Amino acid sequence: EPEVTQTPSHQVTQMGQEVILRCVPISNHLYFYWYRQILGQKVEFLVSFYNNEISEKSEIFDDQFSVERPDGSNFTLKIRSTKLEDSAMYFCASRSRYGNTEAFFGQGTRLTVV
Amino acid sequence: AQSVTQLDSQVPVFEEAPVELRCNYSSSVSVYLFWYVQYPNQGLQLLLKYLSGSTLVKGINGFEAEFNKSQTSFHLRKPSVHISDTAEYFCAVSVDNAGNMLTFGGGTRLMVKP
Repeated sequence: EPEVTQTPSHQVTQMGQEVILRCVPISNHLYFYWYRQILGQKVEFLVSFYNNEISEKSEIFDDQFSVERPDGSNFTLKIRSTKLEDSAMYFCASRSRYGNTEAFFGQGTRLTVV
Repeated sequence: AQSVTQLDSQVPVFEEAPVELRCNYSSSVSVYLFWYVQYPNQGLQLLLKYLSGSTLVKGINGFEAEFNKSQTSFHLRKPSVHISDTAEYFCAVSVDNAGNMLTFGGGTRLMVKP
């Protein structure tokens, strides 16, 4: 069964460092998303991406964040200068363009900023 | 804006007992409703969704949910749980039927005991 894969499963980074979280969406999916869940809090929408551009973003997704589809298969989330409060589980999701199909989520990357 | 409240953060239940996980939402516009499950070390998986039509929705693994517009609720039920149902369950809403920009509740940890 096709699945969304995220790497790494856990990343530890120093405050102020740049971090890139990687996702391989399901092949032929055209809508891509990032969500995050800070420990003990709700899963929050960050950004949606379609046709090589951001289609929606939340207020969380400020200038420190960027997304990219560098090679047609990977979908990345970059945090330019990490802060302690960026520590969270980050989920990638993808969705087919056809019909009312649901988004398929990856297993998440746990980012710890120290 | 939308919000989702899952009233119980944890629900312990014995194997083969029935269970209900509660979800209430608020929104100024019509929404579509979803339940996701997250097994340990895995991504979010769609259990079921309500888009329109019958208010009783059946999903995978024997789960069902009932949409109640007057009470703005979408409670999840299963008549007889298994140990393997132990997981985190998330209720979510979206303003479009494709599930873009999901707004999640805080999650309910279902703990099935032998």
